[in-house]
Amino acid sequence: DIQMTQSPSSLSASVGDRVTITCRASQNIRNYLNWYQHKPGKAPKLLIYAASSLQGGVPSRFSGSGSGTDFTLSISSLQPEDFATYYCQQSYSTPPMYTFGQGTKLEIK
Amino acid sequence: QVQLQESGPGLVKPSETLSLTCTVSGDSMHSYHWSWIRQPPEKGLEWIGYVYNGGSTNYNPSLTSRVSISVGTSNNQFSLRLTSVTAADTAVYYCARGSWVSSGWYVPHFYFDLWGQGALVTVSS
Repeated sequence: DIQMTQSPSSLSASVGDRVTITCRASQNIRNYLNWYQHKPGKAPKLLIYAASSLQGGVPSRFSGSGSGTDFTLSISSLQPEDFATYYCQQSYSTPPMYTFGQGTKLEIK
Repeated sequence: QVQLQESGPGLVKPSETLSLTCTVSGDSMHSYHWSWIRQPPEKGLEWIGYVYNGGSTNYNPSLTSRVSISVGTSNNQFSLRLTSVTAADTAVYYCARGSWVSSGWYVPHFYFDLWGQGALVTVSS
């Protein structure tokens, strides 16, 4: 299986800060990488697919980059509603075996 | 507005079968994959498997001997069955819609673009 490792596991930041979350794959996954936001008790939400494509309706302060084994999710100016847990997920495996990172919890400083 | 909603028993006894249903409202189930994903307490997300094309399936190899995902007869529901459960199967179970875009050279880019809110299932006697 392709293992996904996120860093950091948790992060404290303030409204207005720029933050970056990293996701590393255990092998080359090209750009087959998605990012999700999850708030407690809510449905997870797709933010970015194919490493850098913004899902419709997602604010432009979210951006994704990377290829191969190293990927980043950036939030340019944190808003109060952005405090949540973020997950990366690879879709490179064939036959399909989708795996997620362990999550990064973004908390208010 | 498309919505997904999980339903089913919140408590299952060890060695018995876990059964959950996901109801899809606001759109047809055609042209998408329909997945189950779970999250044990204090752990990460684990993809269980999906159903597509009305009945074809793909499962996580670690669960394939115990799992079955099927489309309901009403065509706006799909279901999960997980047999011989243990405490390790205690988790929040999510249903999710899978979509994709062509990559142009390899398999399509597949992603989960819509999720339910999740259903907690506890395995305990």
